[in-house]
Amino acid sequence: SSELTQDPAVSVALGQTVTITCQGDSLRGYYASWYQQKPGQAPLLVIYGKNNRPSGIPDRFSGSSSGNTASLTITGAQAEDEADYYCHSRDSSGNHPFGGGTKLTVL
Amino acid sequence: QITLKESGPTLVKPTETLTLTCTFSGFSLTTSGVGVGWIRQPPGKALEWLALIYWDDDNRYSPSLRSRLSITKDTSKNQVVLTMTNLDPVDTATYYCARLALWGGNYFDSWGQGTLVTVSS
Repeated sequence: SSELTQDPAVSVALGQTVTITCQGDSLRGYYASWYQQKPGQAPLLVIYGKNNRPSGIPDRFSGSSSGNTASLTITGAQAEDEADYYCHSRDSSGNHPFGGGTKLTVL
Repeated sequence: QITLKESGPTLVKPTETLTLTCTFSGFSLTTSGVGVGWIRQPPGKALEWLALIYWDDDNRYSPSLRSRLSITKDTSKNQVVLTMTNLDPVDTATYYCARLALWGGNYFDSWGQGTLVTVSS
């Protein structure tokens, strides 16, 4: 199956740590990538590969994976991290599904 | 600097065919390990991957939309064209094109601003 499942919503207190997860069979064989999307904006890549950040992405963003679950962790969440987060991966058929997205609220 | 920009009609009638063009700069679609994909997002909803074309002309389509989609590239113009047939109001969405990179994973590292397509009579 190429489906990727995310929790619809997660909240975190300002300055605390939050983990957003993504589950799917394809994650056993392929890395997930993670995208941040703020209202009215295009998605922005924040994590790719084993645990890589594009230039300009703060080091409070990190990624990990275990079995069929990929995780995006924000250590010391800031107000500007409030956004929708999507995971993405490829599957063995070459499809490239996205997860359903997680709305992160910073309290 | 990598840029991508989507262009095409903003309003399409039901049953018509949609043609969207992605014009990009800062990279070549002849470079090994590169692709360009199309992703859409209905208002208030999640991202949905549609199609992908690679540097070697391989292409992939979303299984649920495969029969309605076609993706082609023109490397001399740095363009990728997506065609979607038999449009329906549920196809109303912002359509994005993005560069796919295969170095150290599979990820869309640069995105266009998106173009809103409304399907209505």
